[in-house]
Amino acid sequence: AQSVTQLDSQVPVFEEAPVELRCNYSSSVSVYLFWYVQYPNQGLQLLLKYLSGSTLVKGINGFEAEFNKSQTSFHLRKPSVHISDTAEYFCAVSVNDYKLSFGAGTTVTVRA
Amino acid sequence: SAVISQKPSRDICQRGTSLTIQCQVDSQVTMMFWYRQQPGQSLTLIATANQGSEATYESGFVIDKFPISRPNLTFSTLTVSNMSPEDSSIYLCSVEGGQPSTGELFFGEGSRLTVL
Repeated sequence: AQSVTQLDSQVPVFEEAPVELRCNYSSSVSVYLFWYVQYPNQGLQLLLKYLSGSTLVKGINGFEAEFNKSQTSFHLRKPSVHISDTAEYFCAVSVNDYKLSFGAGTTVTVRA
Repeated sequence: SAVISQKPSRDICQRGTSLTIQCQVDSQVTMMFWYRQQPGQSLTLIATANQGSEATYESGFVIDKFPISRPNLTFSTLTVSNMSPEDSSIYLCSVEGGQPSTGELFFGEGSRLTVL
């Protein structure tokens, strides 16, 4: 079975500063990788996904992530955050089916 | 992308009662999924609902506690039965999106239940 570890539970960051959210996974087979965002009092929204191809994937709102197979990582980055990026971010993995395994989540708080 | 509507968006319930959450999708989908997000925690899959068949429950979840209906290809309900404070959670409905069988999902806004 696959599992996901988000290494940071809380990330405070100042507006316009860069941010990186770390995600590692474990799986014995090839995986699909996702980052979802949950804004306060809302459902989950897909930020970006890695299914195949280029290991650098770009998503919405200026986010990008890099799939590193050798390090089994899928870290999320944004070069300059806004107040509106304050949210909970979830890394998730699946193996060729519809079942997602989610990480514990990282709370990003952007301060002016 | 699919538009998913859930009702109620939030509710406060008394211990021992049951509540049914509705999920409506704006397009026909084969599978619908119900997730639970307990306070401060990540999402856990409760069950998968296919139209015309019994729902498939994940380990730790049973039909008596979380009965699910799937009467057609755009609608599903999840009932939380005989509630206790431990059932206070956000319950999310989701459907597959994008490339099938990859795990890419669209989520509803969630139903936030508080059990007193």
